[in-house]
Amino acid sequence: TQLLEQSPQFLSIQEGENLTVYCNSSSVFSSLQWYRQEPGEGPVLLVTVVTGGEVKKLKRLTFQFGDARKDSSLHITAAQTGDTGLYLCAGGNNDMRFGAGTRLTVKP
Amino acid sequence: DAGVIQSPRHEVTEMGQEVTLRCKPISGHDYLFWYRQTMMRGLELLIYFNNNVPIDDSGMPEDRFSAKMPNASFSTLKIQPSEPRDSAVYFCASSSSPRSNTEAFFGQGTRLTVV
Repeated sequence: TQLLEQSPQFLSIQEGENLTVYCNSSSVFSSLQWYRQEPGEGPVLLVTVVTGGEVKKLKRLTFQFGDARKDSSLHITAAQTGDTGLYLCAGGNNDMRFGAGTRLTVKP
Repeated sequence: DAGVIQSPRHEVTEMGQEVTLRCKPISGHDYLFWYRQTMMRGLELLIYFNNNVPIDDSGMPEDRFSAKMPNASFSTLKIQPSEPRDSAVYFCASSSSPRSNTEAFFGQGTRLTVV
């Protein structure tokens, strides 16, 4: 059983569209992280959210941590083909565990 | 620092053979994690070490799997005997903390195929 549930599992969109992916848990986390993984590589950290209700922006990516610190979302504005990859959320109060990820494909 | 280094990048072995995966963490990181990634199960935490000591090995699937960290700059994950269902990408990561407020740095992974 995954501690962190991510949805959707797969997402295929056209370049220029907006999208939101979700990370949910029944547990409270002191912080959550989002990573992106490209084929043949290990995951790379995008952002860490720490405070309930926190919103962080990284260019066209907007990350939000839920008020109760049990969930998070990632919104991408005007997606580009370079955004294609596997988006993973991670949390852990004493270890580092990952959701199954959302596999995003942005088509030209 | 060159980052987390894993070897080999690819390994193909026959069922029943012993497989050893290697990892060199980033210097100064006290925590080392081993993960297994498959399409079906995602990125699973197998075991992690703190200062070379195994802290949580509850994710190790069976007794066929073992991991060691003889010193701060080297860790191994061994599968003996290997089975086709062990085929996956195995990642090593290192960090200065086990908590998710600290970045984990991943190696490029070892793609294991057991035939």
